[in-house]
Order: sequence, then C-alpha cells, then structure tokens
Amino acid sequence: NAGVTQTPKFRILKIGQSMTLQCAQDMNHNYMYWYRQDPGMGLKLIYYSVGAGITDKGEVPNGYNVSRSTTEDFPLRLELAAPSQTSVYFCASSYSYRMRYSNQPQHFGDGTRLSIL
Amino acid sequence: GENVEQHPSTLSVQEGDSAVIKCTYSDSASNYFPWYKQELGKRPQLIIDIRSNVGEKKDQRIAVTLNKTAKHFSLHITETQPEDSAVYFCAAPLKGANNLFFGTGTRLTVIP
Repeated sequence: NAGVTQTPKFRILKIGQSMTLQCAQDMNHNYMYWYRQDPGMGLKLIYYSVGAGITDKGEVPNGYNVSRSTTEDFPLRLELAAPSQTSVYFCASSYSYRMRYSNQPQHFGDGTRLSIL
Repeated sequence: GENVEQHPSTLSVQEGDSAVIKCTYSDSASNYFPWYKQELGKRPQLIIDIRSNVGEKKDQRIAVTLNKTAKHFSLHITETQPEDSAVYFCAAPLKGANNLFFGTGTRLTVIP
C-alpha cells in the first residue's frame, strides 16, 4: 500500500491564481482530512470528510473548497490564492467504525509545500 | 471550549536523560489518545497511542500514561537520543467530533 499520496510536493502560485491539491489513499479509509501547517506552528483543520459525498468545515475553511466523489480521493481547491495561504498542506485519512467518534489513528501524506507570491 | 492543551512548548534535554510531555483534554468521554512525531520537513507520524481502558502503554523507550480522572495524558521518552529531536503532538477526540483535536506541539531538542 502507498498509504496517503499527495501531489504536487511543491508549488508556487501567483496571487489570484487557482489550483487543486490532490490527495489519494489506498487503505479504504472512510475519513479524510485536510490540514495546514504554518512555519513553526501546529496543525489547523481546514475541511474533513466522513465518506463519499459528505464534507464538513474545520477550523479554517475560508478560501478553500473540497469534494469527495470517491472513497479514495479528497482534493482541496484554492480558488483565489492569497499570500496568507502560503503554508504546508497535509492530507490525512483514518477509519472510524461509527459516526461522530474519531478514535482511530490518522495517517498523513508527505505534504504539499505551497508558496503564494 | 473544547480543546487539547500541551506543555511545554519547548524542551531541551541532555542525551540519555528522560523527557516528559503532558497534554490535558476537556471532554471526559474522550477515549483515544495518540502521539505524533514530526521531524523537520516531514509528515507527522504516529509513534504511540493509548485507549481509555488502559492506564499505561510502552513501546521500547517510549511510554504513554493516561489519567482519566484528571483528564491528562503524558508522553515519556527514556534514554533520549539525538534522533528523538523533533516536534511532538498529542491529540484527542472531543465531544463526539469526527476529527482529532491536536495540541500545539512540543519542540524537543536532545543535546549530544
């Protein structure tokens, strides 16, 4: 198993451009998450999904959109890139046996380092 | 509000000494407590976790203890080595949430 795969690894965007960060997992996990991590800081949850067709906002959703059309994929969309979105983005996945009870480890991808100039 | 607090934010120890990082959580119903290690430029990786039906779990030089009454859990690293230098994050589920809440991290430096 590859685990959680994120692409691209690095990207530089100009202000106002848009892009999609890709995330795929091959562990048949139902839960998937997007975090951002600013330099020297902790993890902030952007969006998460408990299954295909279901998404919900996390702590810092503004400026981002997500979709979950399949169990495997959870892309993160930036519509109008702003300098404040310069960060490292981590995708993670886990398996939960029942709703509203996150009690399984999250597996992280290697991250996408995004700079907006 | 619901949260996970982690202390200290930085910790320096001499090689061979022990390191202890503590986290407190607010929801008494939380039942799963993982610890992640993040090396510089790398992804967070699970190093140990504990469930609420046990008070302690060990894996070689790493141990986690849980005090459900006081609502805190701690990471213990014995015989520290330079490769233990990293940022460590604790986490816990809160109030029936579909996600884990992460602490703010502890930067551990092991001085050779």
